[in-house]
Amino acid sequence: DIVLTQSPTTLSVTPGETVSLSCRASHSIGTNLHWYQQKTNESPRLLIKYASQSISGIPSRFSASGSGTDFTLNINNVEFDDVSSYFCQQTQSWPRNTFGAGTKLELK
Amino acid sequence: EVQLVESGGGLVQPGRSLKLSCAASGFTFSNYYMAWVRQAPKKGLEWVATISTSGSRTYYPDSVKGRFTISRDNAKSSLYLQMNSLKSEDTATYYCARHEQLYLDYWGQGVMVTVSS
Repeated sequence: DIVLTQSPTTLSVTPGETVSLSCRASHSIGTNLHWYQQKTNESPRLLIKYASQSISGIPSRFSASGSGTDFTLNINNVEFDDVSSYFCQQTQSWPRNTFGAGTKLELK
Repeated sequence: EVQLVESGGGLVQPGRSLKLSCAASGFTFSNYYMAWVRQAPKKGLEWVATISTSGSRTYYPDSVKGRFTISRDNAKSSLYLQMNSLKSEDTATYYCARHEQLYLDYWGQGVMVTVSS
C-alpha cells in the first residue's frame, strides 16, 4: 500500500498567520492527492482535489500544490474557523485509497 | 442539496453482525460510485469499501475482506454495509461517502459502531 506521511502532527498558530501542511507519499502518485478538513465531531469535507484544484465553496485562503511524492496545503491568514484536522488521501492506487494520519491545527 | 444519512450503528458483541444503511438524496444515486470510510476513536480515516454504480463491482481492503459486504439499492437510493464477525478493532465511526471521479466529495454525518462484550 502507498503510505502517506503528514507533518507536523500538530500545528499551533496565531490567527492571521500563513501555514503550510505537508503530505509525503511513499511512492510517486502523480497528482492523485486530495485534501480534507475535519472539524471536531463533524464529518470530513473536501478542500482540494488532484493536488491543487480548488473546490467550489471553499475559501480562497486554502490552496495546495505538489506532485509525485511531496504535497503541501497552504492556509493564508488562518482564522478561528480553521481549527480542524486536515487529512490527505491518495487515489493513485484506487480503489485501495489510503489516508494520511492527519495534521491537527490549533490556535494559540 | 446532497444529503447522506447513515443509520444502523450501535453496540454489538464481538463475533456478531450489524448492518449499516445510508440514505442518499439530492442527486442521481445510480450515477455514482459510493464508499464507506471509517474512523476509530481519535484516529485517522480508513477506507472500508467501494461499490460501482450498478453494484456489480465491489472493493475492500484486506482488513475487512471476507467479513464486510457493501451493497446498494438504486431504486431506494440506499447504500448498505453488512458487517459480520465483528472485532473490537472495527469500533469506529462509519461514514458513507460519494465518489466523484476518484475523490470523495460528499460525506454523511457518520454512525458509531462499538464492538465490545
